[in-house]
Amino acid sequence: AQKITQTQPGMFVQEKEAVTLDCTYDTSDQSYGLFWYKQPSSGEMIFLIYQGSYDEQNATEGRYSLNFQKARKSANLVISASQLGDSAMYFCAMIVTNAGKSTFGDGTTLTVKP
Amino acid sequence: DTGVSQDPRHKITKRGQNVTFRCDPISEHNRLYWYRQTLGQGPEFLTYFQNEAQLEKSRLLSDRFSAERPKGSFSTLEIQRTEQGDSAMYLCASHYWGRTDTQYFGPGTRLTVL
Repeated sequence: AQKITQTQPGMFVQEKEAVTLDCTYDTSDQSYGLFWYKQPSSGEMIFLIYQGSYDEQNATEGRYSLNFQKARKSANLVISASQLGDSAMYFCAMIVTNAGKSTFGDGTTLTVKP
Repeated sequence: DTGVSQDPRHKITKRGQNVTFRCDPISEHNRLYWYRQTLGQGPEFLTYFQNEAQLEKSRLLSDRFSAERPKGSFSTLEIQRTEQGDSAMYLCASHYWGRTDTQYFGPGTRLTVL
C-alpha cells in the first residue's frame, strides 16, 4: 500500500520569500510518479509539478521546484518568490506506474502574507 | 476549452434520492478517475477506467455507488439512496496512460445531501 504524509497542516510565508512544503511517501514499488497539486478556495485541483522515480534531475516548473530525495522518500515542494495568489491548499500525491490509483496526502494550507 | 469538465457543478438532494454526475475527460485521454474529497482532506480514490473497462474500485465504493464509461469517452457516477455521509466534492480526472502519469482534474461536483 502507498502512503503520503504531509506533516504541515498550515504554513505562513511572507510575500516574495521562498517556502518549502514537506512531503514524504511510502511505497515498495520502484516505478512511481510524484505530484503536487494546488487547490484554491474555488475547489479546482491545479497540477503544478511532476517527478518520476527514475528522473535524476529535480523537476522545475517556473517558480515551483521539487526537491526529490529518493533514499529519504521525500518530495518537498519549493515555491520561490511567493505571491498572494499562492495562498491555497497544496496536495502531494503519488501514483505507482503499473497500478491505477493515486494516493494523496491530507494537504498543507499555505497563507502568503503581504 | 479542452480541459476536463463535470456536470453539474453543484447538486443538492434529499436523503434517499438518487443522483448522477457526469465527467467529460480530455478527448484523447484513455484513463478516467473518480475521487471523493471531504472538507479538509485530500482526494480519496473511488474508481478508474481504462477506455471503457473499469479496472479498480475502492472499498469506499459501496454497492450504492456505480460508475460507467460506456464508450470510453465520458463517464457517469451514480449514487443510489443517498445518505448525509455522501456529502462531498466528487472529482474526476483523466490522463493518457502510456504517455504521462499526470492526471488533470475537472472542477468537481459538490454534493449536499439534506
